[in-house]
Parts: sequence; structure tokens; C-alpha cells
Amino acid sequence: RKEVEQDPGPFNVPEGATVAFNCTYSNSASQSFFWYRQDCRKEPKLLMSVYSSGNEDGRFTAQLNRASQYISLLIRDSKLSDSATYLCVVKTGGFKTIFGAGTRLFVKA
Amino acid sequence: EPEVTQTPSHQVTQMGQEVILRCVPISNHLYFYWYRQILGQKVEFLVSFYNNEISEKSEIFDDQFSVERPDGSNFTLKIRSTKLEDSAMYFCASSEALLGGPLLYNEQFFGPGTRLTVL
Repeated sequence: RKEVEQDPGPFNVPEGATVAFNCTYSNSASQSFFWYRQDCRKEPKLLMSVYSSGNEDGRFTAQLNRASQYISLLIRDSKLSDSATYLCVVKTGGFKTIFGAGTRLFVKA
Repeated sequence: EPEVTQTPSHQVTQMGQEVILRCVPISNHLYFYWYRQILGQKVEFLVSFYNNEISEKSEIFDDQFSVERPDGSNFTLKIRSTKLEDSAMYFCASSEALLGGPLLYNEQFFGPGTRLTVL
């Protein structure tokens, strides 16, 4: 089983749509969780950290389910500028950071 | 806004040659990282560096790789004898120490990457 597994995508959605990304992780000792965004041939950039209670930042909502080892990201009212690859990222307590393969999102006018 | 910088942006080398990739982390950051991303694949952790020593490394980071912080600003990744499969984008990242905060949620800021092509 992969350490961090994401929906393979791509997701093609119209502007204004709501889209949800899922991620599962295999190590139950994992301690911190993030969603990063990566534009084509660019560096990853932190979108949001994911806390146990769930958290929201504008149009973005992240949820964590430790029992199911599952993380989600919801994007509401999609914009053209949301088109990117979304990376699920997990840390197990040390410095090692494990990235998922990413889910590509295309938002179309 | 402070940012992580990396040089060169693109490095082409012959198989078997040594390469040094350079990074200037954000000035008040204390934790430094190298990652690689082979074209079309996921970002992979290579190594983390804190207090002038390696704090953690992955199985990818074998004896061909080394890291150094030669002065107060630069952080380098050396590949001693490059192989074709070392061709990838190499990202440097840094994070600060949050006083009283959990290290686990320190944001890592990534540089723009160095594209290494081994021929």
C-alpha cells in the first residue's frame, strides 16, 4: 500500500463548481497533514494545514479523519485560477515529509 | 516577501560527473530540506538538515549524495557521480522554528527548483 494515496484525477469542472479531493495515508503514527498546490513545472506551495477539528480558509475546507486515515479537501465556487495539481502531504513525527502523487484539477470557463 | 532561491535553474551534466546544487534559504529559518521530483512523478523527500547536521534522510539519499551549509546563507546538495536516473527537478525548502509551537506544522517554503539533466 502506498504511504500516501490520492484520487488519480484529472478532475475537469466548470467555473463555480464544488470539487472534493480525497487522500488516504497508511501510517497510523502520522502526526501532521497538509494540502499543497503545485502549478505546472513550479514549486509546491502550502495551501493549508489540516487539523483534527477540520479547518476552513475562504473557499477551501480541509477535513481529517484519523480513524479512517483519510484527509479531504473541498473547493467551493471553483475559479479558473484554481487549476493546478493538489498534493496531499503527511509527516510522521520526524522531519520526513511524504507527498502523494497529486490530483490534477482543470477548471474551465 | 522573503523567498528561497536556487541556482542554477537548469543544470546539464554528463553521467559520472559531480554536480552541486545551491540554495539560499530564508534568512531566519533553521530547518532545511532537499526534495526531488522526477518528471511526471511525485515529490520525494531526500534529506533534512538542522543545527549543521542531517536530521533525517530517505533511502534515496545514498552515499552519492551529500549536503552542506558552507556559510551562513548557502545550503548545497552534491551528487558525486551522477546517473541518468538522477535527472529530475530538485527543490530546496526551509522552515523556521516556531517558538513554543509544534515543529510538525512548520510551513516549508520551497525554492523554484533546479532542473538537473544527466546525459
